[in-house]
Amino acid sequence: AQSVSQHNHHVILSEAASLELGCNYSYGGTVNLFWYVQYPGQHLQLLLKYFSGDPLVKGIKGFEAEFIKSKFSFNLRKPSVQWSDTAEYFCAVNARGSGGGADGLTFGKGTHLIIQP
Amino acid sequence: DTAVSQTPKYLVTQMGNDKSIKCEQNLGHDTMYWYKQDSKKFLKIMFSYNNKELIINETVPNRFSPKSPDKAHLNLHINSLELGDSAVYFCASSQGLAGLEQYFGPGTRLTVT
Repeated sequence: AQSVSQHNHHVILSEAASLELGCNYSYGGTVNLFWYVQYPGQHLQLLLKYFSGDPLVKGIKGFEAEFIKSKFSFNLRKPSVQWSDTAEYFCAVNARGSGGGADGLTFGKGTHLIIQP
Repeated sequence: DTAVSQTPKYLVTQMGNDKSIKCEQNLGHDTMYWYKQDSKKFLKIMFSYNNKELIINETVPNRFSPKSPDKAHLNLHINSLELGDSAVYFCASSQGLAGLEQYFGPGTRLTVT
């Protein structure tokens, strides 16, 4: 079974600061990787995803993530955060391939990001 | 148009009651899921259904019974509610079982008193 570890549970930054949220996973096979965001009181929205190809993926709202296979990592980055980025961020993995998705997404415990104006 | 919808949004009930949460998706997906998000925001898969068939049941008490009348709907019925069932329940859907992205509903906040 896969597992996901997010290292930072709470992060507080000022507007315009750069952001990097760590995510590591463990799984014996190939995975699809995701970052989801949950704004206060809202449902989860997909920020970005990695299935294959270029390990640097760009998502919505200026976010990007880099898949480093050797480190089993998929860190999320944003060069300059805004107050509206205050939210809970979840890294997730899903086993790739036929039937693998049936296990559902395995989520990390989330990072609560607060951006101070 | 709402892609994945859930009703109700909030549900407050007493211990021992039986309640249902409904989920519908209009994305044409054939796989649907229920997740539970606890008070610490941790999300965990409960069930997944593919083409109305149960694929996975993740160590969930048998008081929880999902029902999928068709591919677009996955309802969750909970019997004999307990305090520990208080959580936010999210429905999600995806296309196929290849591990593609999932689309989430707005969640149902269940409070058991």
